[in-house]
Amino acid sequence: DGGITQSPKYLFRKEGQNVTLSCEQNLNHDAMYWYRQDPGQGLRLIYYSQIVNDFQKGDIAEGYSVSREKKESFPLTVTSAQKNPTAFYLCASIAGLGDTQYFGPGTRLTVL
Amino acid sequence: SQQGEEDPQALSIQEGENATMNCSYKTSINNLQWYRQNSGRGLVHLILIRSNEREKHSGRLRVTLDTSKKSSSLLITASRAADTASYFCATDGPDKLIFGTGTRLQVFP
Repeated sequence: DGGITQSPKYLFRKEGQNVTLSCEQNLNHDAMYWYRQDPGQGLRLIYYSQIVNDFQKGDIAEGYSVSREKKESFPLTVTSAQKNPTAFYLCASIAGLGDTQYFGPGTRLTVL
Repeated sequence: SQQGEEDPQALSIQEGENATMNCSYKTSINNLQWYRQNSGRGLVHLILIRSNEREKHSGRLRVTLDTSKKSSSLLITASRAADTASYFCATDGPDKLIFGTGTRLQVFP
């Protein structure tokens, strides 16, 4: 059963803590993306990676970090430097430019 | 930066009615895609229309593209309560998709 998985579904974090969100895909896609979505809003691009061991900042990269050590995995770390991290985080992958983007189910992060 | 802007931001209709939402974008594109998002879920791809196409159908969905006006519309015919969701258009940037702000559709039974 191919697709993208994100874990956990819900995540609670205390202020000042770093937290890592998992994203795994078995679609053999080269490119992967992280988006942030606030209530009632559209998607904002945080980071993306077009190939293993390479990634680029999106529109709102400050306070976030990523790694791409394996093709199937693209974890996102929300650091304590992110001033307002409470949001819904979506991971996606794509086979090639202009193709359909496949999304994971999302992780809802709440900072207490 | 967001290229696509959907209109209206929110739309409420009765079951059986048609729903039309529009997307405007700023720069030239190779293709435009529409996605659907149920509350609290990931996005699901609905349809892709290429820049050399003017209209495309998929089931109850009809998408039009007017590259001269840099706009697209998504028509859902004979809507159902299960169509309640947010709908986003996305255009192809240099190395990423650029999503619009979305239209929230509510279909009342």
